[in-house]
Amino acid sequence: GQQLNQSPQSMFIQEGEDVSMNCTSSSIFNTWLWYKQDPGEGPVLLIALYKAGELTSNGRLTAQFGITRKDSFLNISASIPSDVGIYFCAGQETSYDKVIFGPGTSLSVIP
Amino acid sequence: ETGVTQSPTHLIKTRGQQVTLRCSSQSGHNTVSWYQQALGQGPQFIFQYYREEENGRGNFPPRFSGLQFPNYSSELNVNALELDDSALYLCASSVLAGGETQYFGPGTRLLVL
Repeated sequence: GQQLNQSPQSMFIQEGEDVSMNCTSSSIFNTWLWYKQDPGEGPVLLIALYKAGELTSNGRLTAQFGITRKDSFLNISASIPSDVGIYFCAGQETSYDKVIFGPGTSLSVIP
Repeated sequence: ETGVTQSPTHLIKTRGQQVTLRCSSQSGHNTVSWYQQALGQGPQFIFQYYREEENGRGNFPPRFSGLQFPNYSSELNVNALELDDSALYLCASSVLAGGETQYFGPGTRLLVL
């Protein structure tokens, strides 16, 4: 079945550093989504991507839809303590298909 | 505008019991999706309801069932609970069935002993 892999599994960075994480899929996706989940809460959508090669920003966050349509990347610039949490990539084969989530990347920011 | 709410927040059950979890959609949303999130993993899609009909199902056995009501709130029922059913159960509501419009609730933490 469809499977997503995220790397790294966890990251410990200094406040102010930039962060990069990525996600790969065993199959082609039509939509890529990036979510953040804080403890005790549900995931919150950060960025949605719809086209191969698309680069989209949301404040200090930038995500890209890989040209093979089997991968996506998320970058966070100038990290701050509130960036701490678990970042999930997710994908859909078609616009109305079920959403498949990756296992997550846990981000810790050291002040 | 109220967000997605879920009840109860926490629940403890024993193996073999049945459980019902509830979700109230965000105002104006007609689609509800349910996910199971085991500790340290990403959410796994259970099923989706659109206008009171099941509209897609993940790889979960029939003892996982659901309902959506005319006000678009929803229930997830799990029969014959197993230890592996221990997880955070999330519901997400959306205007359409597309994933990018869904808003998640805080989840119900279920522990099966």
